[in-house]
Amino acid sequence: EAGVTQSPTHLIKTRGQQVTLRCSPISGHTSVYWYQQALGLGLQFLLWYDEGEERNRGNFPPRFSGRQFPNYSSELNVNALELEDSALYLCASSFGRVEKLFFGSGTQLSVL
Amino acid sequence: GEDVEQSLFLSVREGDSSVINCTYTDSSSTYLYWYKQEPGAGLQLLTYIFSNMDMKQDQRLTVLLNKKDKHLSLRIADTQTGDSAIYFCAESYSGGGADGLTFGKGTHLIIQP
Repeated sequence: EAGVTQSPTHLIKTRGQQVTLRCSPISGHTSVYWYQQALGLGLQFLLWYDEGEERNRGNFPPRFSGRQFPNYSSELNVNALELEDSALYLCASSFGRVEKLFFGSGTQLSVL
Repeated sequence: GEDVEQSLFLSVREGDSSVINCTYTDSSSTYLYWYKQEPGAGLQLLTYIFSNMDMKQDQRLTVLLNKKDKHLSLRIADTQTGDSAIYFCAESYSGGGADGLTFGKGTHLIIQP
């Protein structure tokens, strides 16, 4: 059974650009979580989607947004990129109310 | 608010036991987790414990929970070079949902030959 898959694995952008990251959850999982792992800051919660709806967001500006599709895959969009957006972006999925989160390998975003 | 604290580094000799400690502040935490992150990879769920348990053992891994002190530990017996990674402690409330899990900053486990 395939795990959580994320694409692309690496991305290099410049300040002011926009980026879209993609995540496919484990088959049967309806919830998708996005986390940002910046150097020295640990994992910061970004967004939670469940059954196609945004259920909660962390303390990030509105230029971080996303959506969840009917097949439960998800996109994370970041507009007007800033240098401090450089981080590993991790997607995780679970079935309904989370008991266990399963993570993908992440997308490493570098903003120059 | 919720907070999870861990030491940043732990160095042990190959073959010894490693004990990674974690403290949390949310007394209503329902589940407590240990995740492992190897270089360039995502987080792998190692084990988790329900808050009404004191101990859980799974092969070389032993999780101890002291709910009174809000202290969680992960013991790795017979530490191997493949155990070198960052270990994250995490908590969730009532099975999670709103914020997923709250993570500590991770403990870098360094194995000395």
